[in-house]
Amino acid sequence: KQEVTQIPAALSVPEGENLVLNCSFTDSAIYNLQWFRQDPGKGLTSLLLIQSSQREQTSGRLNASLDKSSGRSTLYIAASQPGDSATYLCAVPISSGNTPLVFGKGTRLSVIA
Amino acid sequence: GEEVAQTPKHLVRGEGQKAKLYCAPIKGHSYVFWYQQVLKNEFKFLISFQNENVFDETGMPKERFSAKCLPNSPCSLEIQATKLEDSAVYFCASSYRGSPYNEQFFGPGTRLTVL
Repeated sequence: KQEVTQIPAALSVPEGENLVLNCSFTDSAIYNLQWFRQDPGKGLTSLLLIQSSQREQTSGRLNASLDKSSGRSTLYIAASQPGDSATYLCAVPISSGNTPLVFGKGTRLSVIA
Repeated sequence: GEEVAQTPKHLVRGEGQKAKLYCAPIKGHSYVFWYQQVLKNEFKFLISFQNENVFDETGMPKERFSAKCLPNSPCSLEIQATKLEDSAVYFCASSYRGSPYNEQFFGPGTRLTVL
């Protein structure tokens, strides 16, 4: 059974700092990994999707890496801003195709101005 | 539409009452997923549809929960005789046919409060 863990559960950093959020999964036979952002009381915004054949994906100040063999993904946020404050979730599908996602419990990020 | 739409945004029900939630997937997306988010960010998969057919219902508490996706209508999730523990945010997501991408796009959620 696939399990997804995110460390740390919460993180507080000063504005401008570069930071790394971690995601690990128990079954390395994943097909892709998706990073989401959730603002308080809001829905999920998809940030990046890394396919199993890729090692990283970039979007603006965000860079996500994937190491399937070690069961890890990281989300790197450069030059953090107060607007980056949110909960970041990673998720992997339980198998190939259009299957449900298994989510980590997220990292709650606070960027202090 | 270009976004997954969910209605209502908030729903308050007394214990034992019925609750019905709606989801309109992104146009052209043939898969719809329902998830329940409870405290501490725990997401639980409930059910998925491929067009109007149930695709996977392994997470569905069948005794009180039911769901439908009918042609030319929003999908719905119905809870008969709600219980306190049904209080959660219910998210709908849609995706297009195209394994292995399976990128799921989420709606804003419906917050259900059972009193």
